[in-house]
Amino acid sequence: EAQVTQNPRYLITVTGKKLTVTCSQNMNHEYMSWYRQDPGLGLRQIYYSMNVEVTDKGDVPEGYKVSRKEKRNFPLILESPSPNQTSLYFCASRRTRSSYEQYFGPGTRLTVT
Amino acid sequence: DAKTTQPTSMDCAEGRAANLPCNHSTISGNEYVYWYRQIHSQGPQYIIHGLKNNETNEMASLIITEDRKSSTLILPHATLRDTAVYYCIVRVANQAGTALIFGKGTTLSVSS
Repeated sequence: EAQVTQNPRYLITVTGKKLTVTCSQNMNHEYMSWYRQDPGLGLRQIYYSMNVEVTDKGDVPEGYKVSRKEKRNFPLILESPSPNQTSLYFCASRRTRSSYEQYFGPGTRLTVT
Repeated sequence: DAKTTQPTSMDCAEGRAANLPCNHSTISGNEYVYWYRQIHSQGPQYIIHGLKNNETNEMASLIITEDRKSSTLILPHATLRDTAVYYCIVRVANQAGTALIFGKGTTLSVSS
């Protein structure tokens, strides 16, 4: 089954404790991205990657890092999480940057205390 | 960037057609209209997209006006499982990639 998976699905952590949210897709997609969703603000793109070793900032990249060492994986790293990063996070992929259909993962609900 | 305007919420009776409007009066000639939906806190799901012509797939139909300033997503026979937030998105292009900008969408409530 074609899918995007994220782990963990739920995470509660404390300020400053480094964490990684993993994202993996099994569709051999070139393009992957991370979004965060907050009440009243909709979905906002954090980072995106057009292919292996090619990443770039989205609209809200501050406080986040990403890497794309393999085509299928696109982890989101929070080096020093803060409470304002409490949010619902979605990973997404599509075949290429110009593809029409984007597949989203199930989401990771992160709480930083 | 072309912006979209959607009603905040709509109601629909189960089995009836749900018609969700979207205004995008500043859309440029090479921009597509996409529709996604999000069922409570799940990842958004692609529904359909179009440029000029009307489009239909197994999920929905998309009607785009001739001047392309507005469009309507039609769910022909809404079910309770269609209750979701529906996003109308106009695709923007930037220097290095293509971002989908999700606004606030329309909350569709389907009731029996």
